[in-house]
Amino acid sequence: KNQVEQSPQSLIILEGKNCTLQCNYTVSPFSNLRWYKQDTGRGPVSLTIMTFSENTKSNGRYTATLDADTKQSSLHITASQLSDSASYICVVSDLGGGADGLTFGKGTHLIIQP
Amino acid sequence: GAGVSQSPSNKVTEKGKDVELRCDPISGHTALYWYRQSLGQGLEFLIYFQGNSAPDKSGLPSDRFSAERTGGSVSTLTIQRTQQEDSAVYLCASSYSNTEAFFGQGTRLTVV
Repeated sequence: KNQVEQSPQSLIILEGKNCTLQCNYTVSPFSNLRWYKQDTGRGPVSLTIMTFSENTKSNGRYTATLDADTKQSSLHITASQLSDSASYICVVSDLGGGADGLTFGKGTHLIIQP
Repeated sequence: GAGVSQSPSNKVTEKGKDVELRCDPISGHTALYWYRQSLGQGLEFLIYFQGNSAPDKSGLPSDRFSAERTGGSVSTLTIQRTQQEDSAVYLCASSYSNTEAFFGQGTRLTVV
């Protein structure tokens, strides 16, 4: 069965520091991987999508990486801000609309302290 | 609709009562997912509907939980005889053929 594992489960860092969130998956055949950000009291929204041929993609202070060989992705946040406090969810899609559908990680709860 | 809509946004109920949570997916989306989310547990899979196929109910935590999807569109998650441990945010997401998942705002359920 397809699985997505995220680590750490929760993380507290000081404002201005950098951090990296991890996502490991066993989904096959792989189509794409998305990172979502969920602010408190809101639904998750897509931050970035990584396809098989992409290794790195940046969106402002967020940089996502993908290693399709080891089936690992990371989300790096640079110079964190208080507004980065949120849950970050990794969702992986397989090819061709497989019966298992999309596979969701449990998320990482990030707290930025002033 | 413009996005996934969930109702109610907040629900406070007494222990032992039944509750119904509703999800209106994006029109045309064949897949619909229910998850629940709590601080200590993260996102937990509940049930997955895909088209006319039998739903994957493997994540439902007990027989007090059930869900249906009528006409391949609106879905209702029902929790019978609610317990305090049922308190959580219940998220619904829909997608078209395993492309991007679109999430609703969630229903925050509090059982007192």
